[in-house]
Parts: sequence; structure tokens; C-alpha cells
Amino acid sequence: DIQMTQSPSSLSASVGDRVTITCRASQNIRNLLNWYQEKPGKAPKLLIYVASSLQSGVPSRFSGGGSETEFNLTINSLEPEDFATYYCQQSYSRPSFGPGTKVDLK
Amino acid sequence: QVQLVESGGGVGQPGRALRLSCEASGIMFTAYAMHWVRQTPGKGLEWVASISHDGKYKFEADSVKGRFTISRDNPRSTLFLQLDSLRAEDTGIYYCAKDRRRIQRSDTFDLWGRGTLVTVSS
Repeated sequence: DIQMTQSPSSLSASVGDRVTITCRASQNIRNLLNWYQEKPGKAPKLLIYVASSLQSGVPSRFSGGGSETEFNLTINSLEPEDFATYYCQQSYSRPSFGPGTKVDLK
Repeated sequence: QVQLVESGGGVGQPGRALRLSCEASGIMFTAYAMHWVRQTPGKGLEWVASISHDGKYKFEADSVKGRFTISRDNPRSTLFLQLDSLRAEDTGIYYCAKDRRRIQRSDTFDLWGRGTLVTVSS
């Protein structure tokens, strides 16, 4: 099974900040990496698929990059609604998720 | 309205069974593979099972293989998860999720329900 790790596990930021989250895979997953946003009591939301493609309806301040074993999610100019937990997930083999990164208000 | 609504969660005793349902609306249900993903205190988000658009192919995580069964009723646009031989570590929120790609499974989940809580306790 492919193991996914994320860093940091949490971060504190302010509205307007640029935030970057890193995700690493235990083996080469090409570009088969997705990012989700989760808020308490709400359905998780797909943000980015195949590493860098923006899901329809997701604001352009979200972007993704990377390949093989290292990936990143960047939020340019954080908005109040972006405080949430973010997960990466590989779809190269049996799906597996990273442990999540919680973004909260500084 | 495009949505997935899970139901059937609750308290189940160890060794007993529960059956979860997920009703889809606003999507062409028959065109998409569907999935169950759970969030547990011990493991975070964990993929549980997937089923092809036509129900012919099913895949389960090793942690639930032989105990959980995924199925679907396409005319009713409903996905199911039968949970047998429940264990304490099965406690968590169970989400159903739609595959992003039509027909061919991509294991990318572009629509999720709000989840249903399963608690395994005696």
C-alpha cells in the first residue's frame, strides 16, 4: 500500500496570507494526486485533481503542483472561508489519504 | 439538486451488522463508479470500498474485506454498504462519494455526502 504524508500537520495563518501544504507519497504515483478540503459538518470537497487541475467551481487562488513523490497545494491570499482541513489522496493504486493539514486563524 | 445523502448509521454492537444507504440525486447515477470512504479516530480518512458503474466490479480495503459488502441499485440511484462482524475500530463517519470520471473508475471523488455516523459499542 502507498503511504501518504503531509506537512505541516497544522498551521496558523491570517487572511491574505499565502499558504503552502506539502504531500509526499511513499512511491512514485506519477501525477495521480488529489486535494480535498474538509470543514466540520460538511461534505468534503474536491479542490485539485491529477496534481494540478482545478476542479470546476473552485476559486483560482487554489493551485496544485508536483509529480512522482512530492506535491504541494498553495492557497494564494487566504480567505476567511479557507480555514479548514486539507487532505491529499493518491489515486495511483488503492486510494489512500494523507493525515491532513489543519489551517486555522492566527 | 446534485447531492448524495447517506443514512443507516447508528450504534451497532461488536459482531453485529449495520446497513448503510446513500441516495443520489441530480446525477446520472448509472454512469459513475461509486465509493465509500470513512473517517475514523484512529486512521483519519480511509477508503473503504468501490463499485463500478454497472455493479459488476467491486473492490474493498483489506481492513474490511470479508466483512463489508458494497452494492448498488441503479434504478433507485442508491448505493449500499453492508457492515457485518462489526469491530470497535469501525467506529467513524461513513461517506459515500461519486467518481469524477464517467464509466471508467478514476478513484477521484468529486461529490461527497455529509456522512453517517457509525458507532460500534456494546
